[in-house]
Amino acid sequence: DGGITQSPKYLFRKEGQNVTLSCEQNLNHDAMYWYRQDPGQGLRLIYYSQIVNDFQKGDIAEGYSVSREKKESFPLTVTSAQKNPTAFYLCASSSTRPDNEQFFGPGTRLTVL
Amino acid sequence: QKEVEQNSGPLSVPEGAIASLNCTYSDRGSQSFFWYRQYSGKSPELIMSIYSNGDKEDGRFTAQLNKASQYVSLLIRDSQPSDSATYLCAVKPPGSARQLTFGSGTQLTVLP
Repeated sequence: DGGITQSPKYLFRKEGQNVTLSCEQNLNHDAMYWYRQDPGQGLRLIYYSQIVNDFQKGDIAEGYSVSREKKESFPLTVTSAQKNPTAFYLCASSSTRPDNEQFFGPGTRLTVL
Repeated sequence: QKEVEQNSGPLSVPEGAIASLNCTYSDRGSQSFFWYRQYSGKSPELIMSIYSNGDKEDGRFTAQLNKASQYVSLLIRDSQPSDSATYLCAVKPPGSARQLTFGSGTQLTVLP
């Protein structure tokens, strides 16, 4: 089955720790995205990548880092510099078609202890 | 001013009624518009996309786009309790490569 997987589903972080969220897709999509969703809020773009070995900051990139070494994978690291990381993190991907339909993975819920 | 605005709701409709969800956007020239459904605790699921003025129908869902007035709407006919969810409007602004701007969502409850 084609799709997007994210792991872990739940993640707990202590103050001062870096944590890495995994995102993998087998849809052969070139573009991948990371969003953050806070309760009652829409989605805010953290980082996006249109091609391997290239990525751009979104609206709220501070305190986050990414890599894109493989087409299928786009991991997100939440660093200790992110002061309020508790949120629902969503990974998405899209093809290079102009209509840019984005499809989402199941998400990772991160809680800071 | 928010770039994509939606009434947060909650919007309640009785089972079998038509639910009408609205979205306005600020960037004139936006070309692509999407509706996502998000159940509580789950990720968004794409249910409709629309690119041209007018109506687009898919089963019980109809998306309506009016670029001159900068609004896009979603109608759900014969609403079912399983339609109860938050509906997110997303817009691809002009000049963006592939990024979307999302509204904060409208919470819909369909009452049995």
